Amino acid sequence: QVQLVQSGAEVKKPGSSVKVSCKASGGTFNSHAISWVRQAPGQGLEWMGGIIPILGAGHYAQKYQGRVTITADESTRTAYMELRSLRSEDTAIYYCARAQAPPPYNNGMVLWGQGTTVTVS
Amino acid sequence: EIVMTQSPATLSVSPGERATLSCRASQSVSNNVAWYQQKPGLAPRLLIYGASTRATGIPARFSGSGSGTEFTLTISSLQSEDFAVYYCQQYKNWPPWTFGQGTKVEIK
Repeated sequence: QVQLVQSGAEVKKPGSSVKVSCKASGGTFNSHAISWVRQAPGQGLEWMGGIIPILGAGHYAQKYQGRVTITADESTRTAYMELRSLRSEDTAIYYCARAQAPPPYNNGMVLWGQGTTVTVS
Repeated sequence: EIVMTQSPATLSVSPGERATLSCRASQSVSNNVAWYQQKPGLAPRLLIYGASTRATGIPARFSGSGSGTEFTLTISSLQSEDFAVYYCQQYKNWPPWTFGQGTKVEIK
């Protein structure tokens, strides 16, 4: 069964960093975009950035430029999202999600991880 | 950045009735729009992509339409399991891909 499995919940101090992993089992990994989407408590979905593993470079929403790094390790089929300089407003559930098709089609994000709760306190 | 605006914020509908959700893009995204359903405590689920194509396993009561800047998700006859929050998302250009703020469909 194709799935994305994320690392466990984290509790962090303000000013520190967090790195969340997202491991793909089965299916396509290298050629489909992997995005990171966050959801603050009681709020909507927010796209933070993404990567196409075979191309290697992360792409980020302007809001997170300079504070987030998204990487992918093709050998372990794992994507990572590191967020630095954490503040209380970063308390949220962080999801990884894989596009349904390779670019330029993408066709939405069909496969989602279970979410990782990051608490900054 | 392309802004996606959904309306209404909350939609109160009786089971068996039709629900119509709207999403407007701040500039043309062609048909590069997806719709997601999210229930409490769960990850979002892809319903529609390409503005009008149902994802695998999605019931036929869900339909999407639109192109350019105006998009609609219609649920033809609401079932109890359809009460949830729905998000539209554009994937025309990245970065960024952007989501609407969501429409909550609640029981009337």
